[in-house]
Amino acid sequence: QITLKESGPTLVKPTQTLTLTCTFSGFSLSTSGVGVGWIRQPPGKALEWLALIYWDDDKRYSPSLKSRLTITKDTSKNQVVLTMTNMDPVDTATYYCAHTSYGGGYYFDYWGQGTLVTVSS
Amino acid sequence: SYVLTQPPSVSVAPGQTARITCGGNNIGSKSVHWYQQKPGQAPVLVVYDDSDRPSGIPERFSGSNSGNTATLTISRVEAGDEADYYCQVWDSSSDQVFGGGTKLTVL
Repeated sequence: QITLKESGPTLVKPTQTLTLTCTFSGFSLSTSGVGVGWIRQPPGKALEWLALIYWDDDKRYSPSLKSRLTITKDTSKNQVVLTMTNMDPVDTATYYCAHTSYGGGYYFDYWGQGTLVTVSS
Repeated sequence: SYVLTQPPSVSVAPGQTARITCGGNNIGSKSVHWYQQKPGQAPVLVVYDDSDRPSGIPERFSGSNSGNTATLTISRVEAGDEADYYCQVWDSSSDQVFGGGTKLTVL
């Protein structure tokens, strides 16, 4: 059974760096074809993809946020970490991590429950 | 950047068929995935690779993709299908892209 859970601060101040951890079970991020991604959703708004890391350590970022994001993995701990610099109130959102599988393209087939991050002074 | 366009809302009576579209330039050449999100919950994958269903998803959910439009079809709509629905693709310039979402209302 695949499960994922996000953890990190619920409140950050503007200009600070956000660090979120996704802890997962039921799969290994060293298995070919596997990836873990981050997606966020501002209150009342649509989903926005942020970053993705693959089993071979290939890393992909949203073009619009690339300069602010870093994604890393710790295979031994079954964790993926996302950092986002220079946080702003518009970054207030629920942040999800999700497992990806590949068919004709990568899709997010298992999601964490999400963690709400509020950016405010 | 690649853009996916969804209607903001779709309404349908119980027992009828709901069709939710996702428009994109030559989207028929891409694999389209669909997610259902109920209030306060994480998204759930309901269709992947245009028309495949994950285990546990009812056969009432189906998908198609051709030309510039992909469609999620929900047959025999139930009250429990009321949710937001998002399409998603991979694009070489934008990587992963989500549509703006469609709110399905069951009348």
